[in-house]
Amino acid sequence: GAGVSQSPSNKVTEKGKDVELRCDPISGHTALYWYRQSLGQGLEFLIYFQGNSAPDKSGLPSDRFSAERTGGSVSTLTIQRTQQEDSAVYLCASSLIGGEGGAFFGQGTRLTVV
Amino acid sequence: SQQGEEDPQALSIQEGENATMNCSYKTSINNLQWYRQNSGRGLVHLILIRSNEREKHSGRLRVTLDTSKKSSSLLITASRAADTASYFCATVRYGQNFVFGPGTRLSVLP
Repeated sequence: GAGVSQSPSNKVTEKGKDVELRCDPISGHTALYWYRQSLGQGLEFLIYFQGNSAPDKSGLPSDRFSAERTGGSVSTLTIQRTQQEDSAVYLCASSLIGGEGGAFFGQGTRLTVV
Repeated sequence: SQQGEEDPQALSIQEGENATMNCSYKTSINNLQWYRQNSGRGLVHLILIRSNEREKHSGRLRVTLDTSKKSSSLLITASRAADTASYFCATVRYGQNFVFGPGTRLSVLP
């Protein structure tokens, strides 16, 4: 596609339910990143995939969070047993290796846990 | 650890004035990038400056990098109301994730 696509755009879920957020990166981009952003705050790093290397999961806030990237393309971020503090905008980005040319962001998924 | 911290946190100027935002970071980097965000959604890449560069221009944007001070500045000249947004710097080390600062909220008043 022309850009990074994320779905859904908005997700409202009940506390305790599991959610899956999807990211479709730009074709040819070997690096894929997940961040989350609370209202009025900066970007909090979650996880980083680079080619076939083991992902950098150092930003995942708890073991309720996991992510995978299938076939070096589409990525899914899963949050199990959602909590109210998980409410945020989840942003996905992709780039060429080394961040060359900059990171291209999707429009994000706004997650609200009620 | 926090890297890429911008100041000021918020800046309000009149249309036509210049806006300067600063970014400081802690570790060595390969490049530093500036991004813009409208309405709390996706960020848009503005400009990249490599660690061996000192200054770069793109349209009304001017970026400087001082690796000895581990700092960068973004200057927007002749600002417009449409420049109102949040601006973030991001530091990049090869093979690692982008590290973003908390951002500067710029308001350009008509």
